[in-house]
Amino acid sequence: AQTVTQSQPEMSVQEAETVTLSCTYDTSESDYYLFWYKQPPSRQMILVIRQEAYKQQNATENRFSVNFQKAAKSFSLKISDSQLGDAAMYFCAYRRSGGYQKVTFGTGTKLQVIP
Amino acid sequence: DVKVTQSSRYLVKRTGEKVFLECVQDMDHENMFWYRQDPGLGLRLIYFSYDVKMKEKGDIPEGYSVSREKKERFSLILESASTNQTSMYLCASSYLREGPEETQYFGPGTRLLVL
Repeated sequence: AQTVTQSQPEMSVQEAETVTLSCTYDTSESDYYLFWYKQPPSRQMILVIRQEAYKQQNATENRFSVNFQKAAKSFSLKISDSQLGDAAMYFCAYRRSGGYQKVTFGTGTKLQVIP
Repeated sequence: DVKVTQSSRYLVKRTGEKVFLECVQDMDHENMFWYRQDPGLGLRLIYFSYDVKMKEKGDIPEGYSVSREKKERFSLILESASTNQTSMYLCASSYLREGPEETQYFGPGTRLLVL
């Protein structure tokens, strides 16, 4: 079974600084997708960034980028120029390629942004 | 904008009661999911459905059932609520096909307290 591990239950970052959230996963598949989701306090969960395993290039979305290391099964999220609105729970998630596949989530990292 | 709505934000029920949690999406998504979210455990999949009247067990289906009579609506049923089912319940939906559009859209969540 696939597992997703987020080893940092909580992290903090100064406003305008950079922070990296860690995620590792375990799979025997070669084709899959990885995601980072953000859940702000009392607000709905939204997708931050998505990576296809067959793509070597790391995905970026504005201030958010990933470091995808397929051999190491590592998928970290870097947030640059952190803003107060980045404070949230962040979940790493894995989905195997192919139809009818479920998504497996990690346990989450709570990010605090210090003004 | 995709909208995923859940029938209640907060719910208080007694042990042994039958509980219905409703979820509706307006994007004609094939896939719908029910998760429960608990501190330190992340999101765990209860059931998912990829078509009307179809359902698949997730990781923790015990004590729950689901119903999908219409494409836009996915109901989670607790046949006889127990205190260990006190949790945050999240509904999500997505397209069946893979690709850049692939993302799960989440509802606001229902916080259920079973006394």
